[in-house]
Amino acid sequence: EVQLVQSGAEVKKPGESLRISCKASGYTFTSYWITWVRQMPGKGLEWMGRIDPSDSYINYGPSFQGHVTISVDKSISTAYLQWSSLKASDTATYYCMRHFEASGYFDYWGQGSLVTVSS
Amino acid sequence: DIQMTQSPSSLSASLGDSVTITCRATQGISNFLAWYQQKPGRVPKLLIYAASTLQSGVPSRFSGSGSGTDFTLTISSLQPEDVATYYCQKYNSAPLTFGGGTKVEIK
Repeated sequence: EVQLVQSGAEVKKPGESLRISCKASGYTFTSYWITWVRQMPGKGLEWMGRIDPSDSYINYGPSFQGHVTISVDKSISTAYLQWSSLKASDTATYYCMRHFEASGYFDYWGQGSLVTVSS
Repeated sequence: DIQMTQSPSSLSASLGDSVTITCRATQGISNFLAWYQQKPGRVPKLLIYAASTLQSGVPSRFSGSGSGTDFTLTISSLQPEDVATYYCQKYNSAPLTFGGGTKVEIK
């Protein structure tokens, strides 16, 4: 069974760093890209970027380049999304999902990780 | 970058009604278009890909059509469990942009 299991909810202060994770199972991790999507409270879905786990090739969305870092650890079939300095505006639910090709639709989604940034 | 615009942003319809949501791309994307359903408080779920191919397990009352720049999602007979926000998404090339969403409610 394909599963993408994300790390739990986080409460952080502005300026703090954070890394959230997305652990894949039930399929060959390096055969599917991983995308991260942001959903701010009460708002729509925003594509943040994608990574090819086979070679760590990354594309970032124009609003997220330079603000987040996407990475993977193939040895443990896990993708990461990290911030070096959080802002209150980073408060959102973050989803990971897989897609078969670089230009692919998202067939399996993680359960979401709620990140709250507040002083 | 190609932008995706959905209309309407919300709609209210009666049970059994046919409902149509439109998604328009600012440039042609062939049929690289997916539709997702997000019920309140839940994870989005893939409904349709390649503009008109129903994902396994999705009820047949959902259908998609279109190519190029104009696409539609139709629910042929609205059911209570269809209350959700629906998003289109282009995936021909990065960025893999979503539309703004259409919230569907029961009248």
